[in-house]
Amino acid sequence: AQTVTQSQPEMSVQEAETVTLSCTYDTSESNYYLFWYKQPPSRQMILVIRQEAYKQQNATENRFSVNFQKAAKSFSLKISDSQLGDTAMYFCAFIRNTGTASKLTFGTGTRLQVTL
Amino acid sequence: GAVVSQHPSWVICKSGTSVKIECRSLDFQATTMFWYRQFPKQSLMLMATSNEGSKATYEQGVEKDKFLINHASLTLSTLTVTSAHPEDSSFYICSAGTGGTYEQYFGPGTRLTVT
Repeated sequence: AQTVTQSQPEMSVQEAETVTLSCTYDTSESNYYLFWYKQPPSRQMILVIRQEAYKQQNATENRFSVNFQKAAKSFSLKISDSQLGDTAMYFCAFIRNTGTASKLTFGTGTRLQVTL
Repeated sequence: GAVVSQHPSWVICKSGTSVKIECRSLDFQATTMFWYRQFPKQSLMLMATSNEGSKATYEQGVEKDKFLINHASLTLSTLTVTSAHPEDSSFYICSAGTGGTYEQYFGPGTRLTVT
């Protein structure tokens, strides 16, 4: 079974600053994907960024980037130039690569507050 | 593209009654749908996985007779909470995926309040 751990229940960052959210996972699988999802107050789940385990290069999406350390089973999210709209719950998630949609395992989440 | 809707977005029902929540993929065929439950300030917990035309697979600890899931078509899955009780009050989220890819898309969720 897979587990995903987010050790930071809450974080705060000032607008325009950079913040890093931590995530570790445990699995015996070698082929999988990792995700960061954002859940704003509307509660709609929004995919922020994804990482294929077989790719060594860290994924980036505009202001969002990850630090993927496969051996350490670590997958942190860095948000640069934080904006008020980044205020949300952030969930790290794992999925086995089965070639089709399969169940996501979520971490407990980190509540991020961006302040002026 | 890849839009998933849920209906209703919010429902209040009396204890002992049943309530049905719909999850629809609007612009793609969803071979697999997932139902999650989320309590306030907590993470998403998978309840069950449904494949079109097959019986749903429930996660351990989820009462299949209480949470009836039907995936009768490639665009619609329903979750029926039978004989609802106040402890069933929660936020229910569905997601949908297509064959051949790991991608899945989330609906906006349904808030259920049982009085």
